[in-house]
Parts: sequence; C-alpha cells; structure tokens
Amino acid sequence: QKEVEQDPGPLSVPEGAIVSLNCTYSNSAFQYFMWYRQYSRKGPELLMYTYSSGNKEDGRFTAQVDKSSKYISLFIRDSQPSDSATYLCAMSEDDYKLSFGAGTTVTVRA
Amino acid sequence: DAMVIQNPRYQVTQFGKPVTLSCSQTLNHNVMYWYQQKSSQAPKLLFHYYDKDFNNEADTPDNFQSRRPNTSFCFLDIRSPGLGDAAMYLCATSRGFGFGGLVTDTQYFGPGTRLTVL
Repeated sequence: QKEVEQDPGPLSVPEGAIVSLNCTYSNSAFQYFMWYRQYSRKGPELLMYTYSSGNKEDGRFTAQVDKSSKYISLFIRDSQPSDSATYLCAMSEDDYKLSFGAGTTVTVRA
Repeated sequence: DAMVIQNPRYQVTQFGKPVTLSCSQTLNHNVMYWYQQKSSQAPKLLFHYYDKDFNNEADTPDNFQSRRPNTSFCFLDIRSPGLGDAAMYLCATSRGFGFGGLVTDTQYFGPGTRLTVL
C-alpha cells in the first residue's frame, strides 16, 4: 500500500465548474500538507500549504485537511482553462522528506 | 526574481554515456534536493544536501551521484544511464528542515530537466 494515494484521473470539467481533488494517506504522523500544481513539462509549484487539520482559502482555492480520516482535499471554484494541470498532493511529518501523491490531471474545457 | 534554475531543460544521451544535470538557485537556501519523476508518477527523492552534508536515500541506485561545489549550485551525475533512467529530473530547494509552521520552509522546485536515453 502506498503511503499517499491520489486518484490519477484524468478529470475533465467545463469552465466555471468546481474541481474537487483529494488524497488519502496512511501515516498518522503527517502534519504538514501541501498541494502543488504542475503544468506540462514544468516543475511543481506550491499552490496551497496547510498545517494540521482545518481549512485554508486562497482566492478560488480551498484546501481541507481531516487528520482523523487521513484525508485531504483541494477545491477549485470557478475553474478556468488556465487551471488545466496536474495537481500533486504532498505531506510531511516535519522534516525534509515530502511524500507525494502520483498527481491528478485536470482539464478545464472552455 | 529569486528562483531555481535547471540546465539543460532537455537532455538526450546514449545508453551508458555519462551525463550531468545542473541546478542553481538564487534563494540562498541551505538545502538542495534531487528528485526523479517518471511519467504519471510521484516525484521520488534521490538525495539531498544540507549545506555540504550529503544524504542519499536508501533506494537510490549507485549509478546516481551528486556534487554541490557551493551554496548556489548542485549537480546530478548519472554515470551509466540505462533506458529506465529516462525521466524528468527535478531540483528543489528549501531554507532548512522542518516547517516550523512557515510556508517559506517548504520546498521550491525548478522547471526540471527531461532526460531521454537512446
């Protein structure tokens, strides 16, 4: 069993729709949770960062962490074609090592 | 802008021919990482440097080596590339270890070098 599981998709939605992405994990020691966005042939860029459980909102993006269920989510409201990318979840106990999901590929259709 | 730069962006090499990938950073971060990312897979950490201290992941093949001559630069050497080493190689940096609750302690990635092995 992988330490971090992420549905690879692909996910295709019309412009303006809400995109819902999620990851589950098995290591209860994880306490830092991140979402990275990776455009085709580019490196991952940090999108959202959350410590412990709770919600965090940044513009059209909302990250949720439920440590009791070992489940994290990313919501993209009013999705745009420019949001088309692969979204990687990542998490850490509090050291150098990030555990990544395999990424979900999202396409927003104009 | 402060950033992580990787050169070249695309590298083609022949089976068994040594290749070196380069990473530089203007963030003045203490830690530099090398990841391997194959198609539709999660990035896999190969090794990292904390300043001059080198740390190899247990499952990184001996074929992969790294050098960090100064704070700004780090190199990935693949001594005898095999077909299975074709991948995107990502360099990342961070200020330190542990997040301390600060987003600035997270890892920042370069654009990657896509390696093709013929």
